[in-house]
Formats: sequence, structure tokens, C-alpha cells
Amino acid sequence: GQNIDQPTEMTATEGAIVQINCTYQTSGFNGLFWYQQHAGEAPTFLSYNVLDGLEEKGRFSSFLSRSKGYSYLLLKELQMKDSASYLCAVSWVSGNTPLVFGKGTRLSVIA
Amino acid sequence: DAGVTQSPTHLIKTRGQHVTLRCSPISGHKSVSWYQQVLGQGPQFIFQYYEKEERGRGNFPDRFSARQFPNYSSELNVNALLLGDSALYLCASSLVGGIRSLAKNIQYFGAGTRLSVL
Repeated sequence: GQNIDQPTEMTATEGAIVQINCTYQTSGFNGLFWYQQHAGEAPTFLSYNVLDGLEEKGRFSSFLSRSKGYSYLLLKELQMKDSASYLCAVSWVSGNTPLVFGKGTRLSVIA
Repeated sequence: DAGVTQSPTHLIKTRGQHVTLRCSPISGHKSVSWYQQVLGQGPQFIFQYYEKEERGRGNFPDRFSARQFPNYSSELNVNALLLGDSALYLCASSLVGGIRSLAKNIQYFGAGTRLSVL
């Protein structure tokens, strides 16, 4: 299978840091993507990781461990507008699917 | 520059009808993918087209079909609609299709077509 697991919901406080985890099956792994999706809107691309390590983009960072089948998205200095669903998506070498998405993590930022 | 555009934005159909959804990719992108997203779930892959050829197909029945035109725009057709087809249908475009170059295969999504089947 190509199970991708991420928490269903998280709540964090404005100004804080939150880490959203994603685990996946390692066999045939090619790369991992993170998308943000506000309610009723399209997913927007945040970052992708191919090699182990941390990719930083402003307040958002994404980490990958290929051997562990593990990634996380780190959001710093949380703002109310960060309330959204965060989708972890994996590209596998085998198969004919460009991306397989997890179910998403719904993040609520509270004051 | 325009992003991925989809039409219509909303659609209401009854069971048994068919529907055609349209997508225009970002200028310069040659690959289009279609996804179905039901409430509370991540997008589920339906089709990918690159250079007008089907490059991938998800686990959807034959009632679903698609094509890509010479200008790289695309249509998704669904026949004999069922209640369970009610969903947000997302189109995504990328520079290329395939998995060799992830940087060139980043998918950029349109706002989607929300289909309600009554």
C-alpha cells in the first residue's frame, strides 16, 4: 500500500510554533510535498523534499528522513491566517500516480 | 500571469446525467492532472495527461474520462452520474509529466469545480 498518515486535527496559539507530522511507506519513495488548503479553496504548494534534511522558506520549514519514512512541516510565529488544512503528498517511483495525498491535518490557530 | 483556471466553479446535476469540466493550465505547463476531493479527505488522483497523452490513471470507473487538447487545456467527463460523485474536482498543471524531475513536476492547483449530484 501507499498509506500516508498525518494527524487529523491540531490546535495552536497565535505566535507559537507547531509541527505537523507525516509518515509514509518508504518503498519506492521519490519525494514529498506539502500543500496548504484553506476551506473552500484550492491547495497551494508550500514545499517539497527529496533528500534528507530541513528546507526552510520563511516561517515555514519542512523536514525529511527517507530512511524513517517521516516528514514534518514546521510553522513558526503562527498567525490566524495559518488556520487551514495541511496536506502531505508523496511521489513514488513506481505506479502511475503523480501524487498520493494524505487526508490532511486541519490546523486551528487560536488567540 | 494567470494561474490554473477551471470552469464552471459550481455545478448541480441529477443522477444519470453527464458532466464536462474544463481546465486551462498555467502558460508554459504541458501536463494536466485531475483530482477528486471529498469533504474531509485529501485529493484523490483521477488522470494525468502530458503532451496530449494519458500518462496515468487512478482507481476510478470507466464512467470517468478525460482528454488534453493541442493548447494543453483539458476536459474531464463523467457519465451516468451517481450521488457519490458529488465532490470538489481539482485540476493541477505542471511543467512536465512523470517523476524524473520533481522540481518540474510540482503541481499547481486551480480553484476547482464543486459538483453536486442530486
